[in-house]
Amino acid sequence: SAVISQKPSRDICQRGTSLTIQCQVDSQVTMMFWYRQQPGQSLTLIATANQGSEATYESGFVIDKFPISRPNLTFSTLTVSNMSPEDSSIYLCSVDPKGGQHNEQFFGPGTRLTVL
Amino acid sequence: DAKTTQPTSMDCAEGRAANLPCNHSTISGNEYVYWYRQIHSQGPQYIIHGLKNNETNEMASLIITEDRKSSTLILPHATLRDTAVYYCIVPKRGTYKYIFGTGTRLKVLA
Repeated sequence: SAVISQKPSRDICQRGTSLTIQCQVDSQVTMMFWYRQQPGQSLTLIATANQGSEATYESGFVIDKFPISRPNLTFSTLTVSNMSPEDSSIYLCSVDPKGGQHNEQFFGPGTRLTVL
Repeated sequence: DAKTTQPTSMDCAEGRAANLPCNHSTISGNEYVYWYRQIHSQGPQYIIHGLKNNETNEMASLIITEDRKSSTLILPHATLRDTAVYYCIVPKRGTYKYIFGTGTRLKVLA
């Protein structure tokens, strides 16, 4: 299993600013994912962040808007850049501790972002 | 990619079995089905997964039809704490990336 913490747990930001969200895992994991959950909606995968390689983004998400860092096997950050009210969402990270061997992923508690 | 279809919402009486269906008719032979749930304001929680055989763990049972085109998650004795949105997921083909559908909002009634 894996225990994941995220910081901040919530924030209220002004449009045009940027926020960096941290994801910390209690064990070393190769595969890490970032999701967005807009109000009342399901989760949407933003990108995959594997240590030692560039993050890969899903359709509709770009690096300039959501830059990701993955400096080591226990930590990652997602930045939401030049924010607008449409970016108000819950942002979650998840990990696959066994590296994709058809086992479960573990999710963090999420960061609730409100953009005014 | 295999698309999943679930009912939008269901109610279940406390103490009764909750049976949550999922249709994944385009699933391929080596793709797993995963079930997660999301209790309000929390991150999704893993429940169970399977390939073709029925599976059971301490939380639930997973029944997969022989043609693998649908599955049912069974919570044998639902409690109020099982009220959540339940997601049936088939990862994006050839990857371990999850594509979340709309899920089923299960309400357990006292």
